[in-house]
Amino acid sequence: DQQVKQNSPSLSVQEGRISILNCDYTNSMFDYFLWYKKYPAEGPTFLISISSIKDKNEDGRFTVFLNKSAKHLSLHIVPSQPGDSAVYFCAANKVPGYALNFGKGTSLLVTP
Amino acid sequence: EPEVTQTPSHQVTQMGQEVILRCVPISNHLYFYWYRQILGQKVEFLVSFYNNEISEKSEIFDDQFSVERPDGSNFTLKIRSTKLEDSAMYFCASSEAVGIPLVDQPQHFGDGTRLSIL
Repeated sequence: DQQVKQNSPSLSVQEGRISILNCDYTNSMFDYFLWYKKYPAEGPTFLISISSIKDKNEDGRFTVFLNKSAKHLSLHIVPSQPGDSAVYFCAANKVPGYALNFGKGTSLLVTP
Repeated sequence: EPEVTQTPSHQVTQMGQEVILRCVPISNHLYFYWYRQILGQKVEFLVSFYNNEISEKSEIFDDQFSVERPDGSNFTLKIRSTKLEDSAMYFCASSEAVGIPLVDQPQHFGDGTRLSIL
């Protein structure tokens, strides 16, 4: 069952522009949302998270927005850099530290 | 920066054989996890472990699977009799704490063990 969905398998963005990665979820019990970044032959690396009581969290070039009523979150990367090229996973769980439910990932390519 | 380490990076095993995947979680972390990713599919939760007990497991984690913390640093996943469909990338993860409201408790992942069953 796909409780976390990333409907765009890939995204291409020019260097310096904004990258927007989207994620939808179906389980209204999810309370904690995370974004991970993955390079080939490496494990997922934690990027940024947000709890359901917030609608925005910012960390440097990365901002995550949460719309609970729409069950939708997005990751904004501004400005995008070639080193951001990777697969980005959205993940969610009911309580921080419990089992993570992952989306299938979006492959981001940032071109010079 | 502390990291989760996994060995081996690639394991090739004959179907029906037992395999043990090893992980060294981050040293001050108390919660440990195994996930797997079959090629082309999403990362799936297998099991979580705390205080020498399984705290949560998925439907995938059947009697063929077991986990152990044999000493103060290692965390292992054993598959007793491997099947072709066990071929996947297996990720170990750890986190410092669980369930503290409003506090970031991300799970930190190792680079994985690619398990190939022949």
